[in-house]
Amino acid sequence: DSGVTQTPKHLITATGQRVTLRCSPRSGDLSVYWYQQSLDQGLQFLIQYYNGEERAKGNILERFSAQQFPDLHSELNLSSLELGDSALYFCASSGDRGDTQYFGPGTRLTVL
Amino acid sequence: AQSVAQPEDQVNVAEGNPLTVKCTYSVSGNPYLFWYVQYPNRGLQFLLKYITGDNLVKGSYGFEAEFNKSQTSFHLKKPSALVSDSALYFCAVRDMRDSSYKLIFGSGTRLLVRP
Repeated sequence: DSGVTQTPKHLITATGQRVTLRCSPRSGDLSVYWYQQSLDQGLQFLIQYYNGEERAKGNILERFSAQQFPDLHSELNLSSLELGDSALYFCASSGDRGDTQYFGPGTRLTVL
Repeated sequence: AQSVAQPEDQVNVAEGNPLTVKCTYSVSGNPYLFWYVQYPNRGLQFLLKYITGDNLVKGSYGFEAEFNKSQTSFHLKKPSALVSDSALYFCAVRDMRDSSYKLIFGSGTRLLVRP
């Protein structure tokens, strides 16, 4: 168990809908990262937050957004969902030095 | 641009034999290198990392990896494979000069250890 929790484990929704994925980092970790794992794109970095502030953006669509709250948990919001958004979404966290990222179990999103 | 290559989609090895999963990388600056393992329907588990120092890094479950700067490689090795090692393995790199700390992952290598 990495200490990173993600909810829900599975999410099934329809095209055009909006969903929110939640992540709680390991105790004491200030950085939260979101990654998307799909069959065609592999594992891709989406976005990083550090202590409530956005630090870096990767290949994140404009339909997607994230935030990190004062208690350091993070949410990834996906809107206007398309079939191609079906994927496994991972959250990871790391400490202040940011060297090792520990991953949560992921949320599997299925868009029908 | 940073990139990671895992040239083998799948590696097959018999239980008890040594295994190697290959990884090469490309970064502008000095690399931080990582190996993660993913079991079916599970998240990524951290195995080991190279930051600096000794080129041979030891990690969890008897795995080790050797950093080779001249060949820009970071191959994962284990002296004696177990059936339970069968999983998907990912190599990842971070450029030390990148303040975002984001990881760039390879495409993954499926390891199959047969009894």
